[in-house]
Order: sequence, then structure tokens, then C-alpha cells
Amino acid sequence: NAGVMQNPRHLVRRRGQEARLRCSPMKGHSHVYWYRQLPEEGLKFMVYLQKENIIDESGMPKERFSAEFPKEGPSILRIQQVVRGDSAAYFCASSRQNGGAGYTFGSGTRLTVV
Amino acid sequence: KQEVTQTSAALSVPEGENLVLNCSFTDSAIYNLQWFRQDPGKGLTSLLLIQSSQREQTSGRLNASLDKSSGRSTLYIAASQPGDSATYLCAVLTQGGSEKLVFGKGTKLTVNP
Repeated sequence: NAGVMQNPRHLVRRRGQEARLRCSPMKGHSHVYWYRQLPEEGLKFMVYLQKENIIDESGMPKERFSAEFPKEGPSILRIQQVVRGDSAAYFCASSRQNGGAGYTFGSGTRLTVV
Repeated sequence: KQEVTQTSAALSVPEGENLVLNCSFTDSAIYNLQWFRQDPGKGLTSLLLIQSSQREQTSGRLNASLDKSSGRSTLYIAASQPGDSATYLCAVLTQGGSEKLVFGKGTKLTVNP
């Protein structure tokens, strides 16, 4: 069981480019969550997805950010026209049904916008 | 709105000492509380998960307690080692239909040889 896989581990983008972050949940997990960790701050919830459905995106900025979890393939967090303030660590977590059994986190993608 | 606080931002102890990390939360209607460890530049490793009906969980030298009524949890680390140096995060899952984990800002622990 490979755990939650995120790639890339590090991503550098120039201002105005697009960033695509990928997350493959643990085998048997159908719930995916994205969190963002800004420098010197705690982890903040962004979005919760199940296969082909966005369940809760209340933590996601209204513009430039989108997320999907297609029927086949990994979950994608997409940031369009990145700005310096998007520089952060983005973590993906997965769970089997809901959070009652706890969450397993990936190693994160560290996005740097230059 | 749930808020999670970890009172100590940083803690430095000599090797071998027993220590306690504290976590408090404002809304006692929780499903569970989870303690994580984060090493610099790395992801989160789950240490202990306490369901709302439980009072404590133990794993090796780690013991986590939960007092739901007072909104508090402690993580006890026995006989600390330099390898325990990391940031420890507390997170709660609140009842009410939300699947969001709410995290504290963490306690950075340094165990000195």
C-alpha cells in the first residue's frame, strides 16, 4: 500500500503561469481533501471531493483555483495565473468513507512562485 | 466555528525527559481528534486518533488523552529522544456535516542530546 501519493514534490512557476498538483489517494479510499499550509501558519482546509463530485469547496479561493477528482486517475488541484501569495505547501489527504477512521496525508507539493 | 489552539509554539527539552503537549478546541461536538507529526519539509504522519467516545490512546512511548467536555487533549511523550524532534499538530473533526479537519498551528519540539 503506497499511501497517498502527491506529485510533483516541488514545483516552481513564474507569476501568471498555471500550476497543476496531483494526488492519488490510498487504495480503497474514495474521499480526497486538499489543505494548504502557508509559511508560519497552520494547515487550512481547501476542498473535499469524492469521485466526480465536489462535496465542499468552502475553503478554496473563488478565483483561479479549481479541483477535480475524475472517475479515473488522480485528483487535480489547479491554480491558474499564479501569484507570489500562492507559494505554499499543498497537502492532499484521503479517507475510506468519512473522517471517522482518520485521515492519511501525502508528503505535499511545495509550490514556489517566482 | 471550531478553533484549535496549541498553547506552546516551541518547546526544547533535554533527551530522556517526559513531556506533555497541549491542545484545546472551542466546540466540544467532535467526532474525533488526531495528533500528527510533521518533519521539516515533509508531510504529516498520523500518530494517534482518538474517537469522541474514547478517553485515551497509546502507541509506544506516546499517549494521547481527550477530555471532550473541557475541550482539551494532551500528547504525552515518554523518555524523549532526539529523533522525536519535529512539529506536532493537533486536529479535530467536528460534528455537523463538515468533513473539514481543523488544525492547530503546531508545537515545534526540539529534543537536545
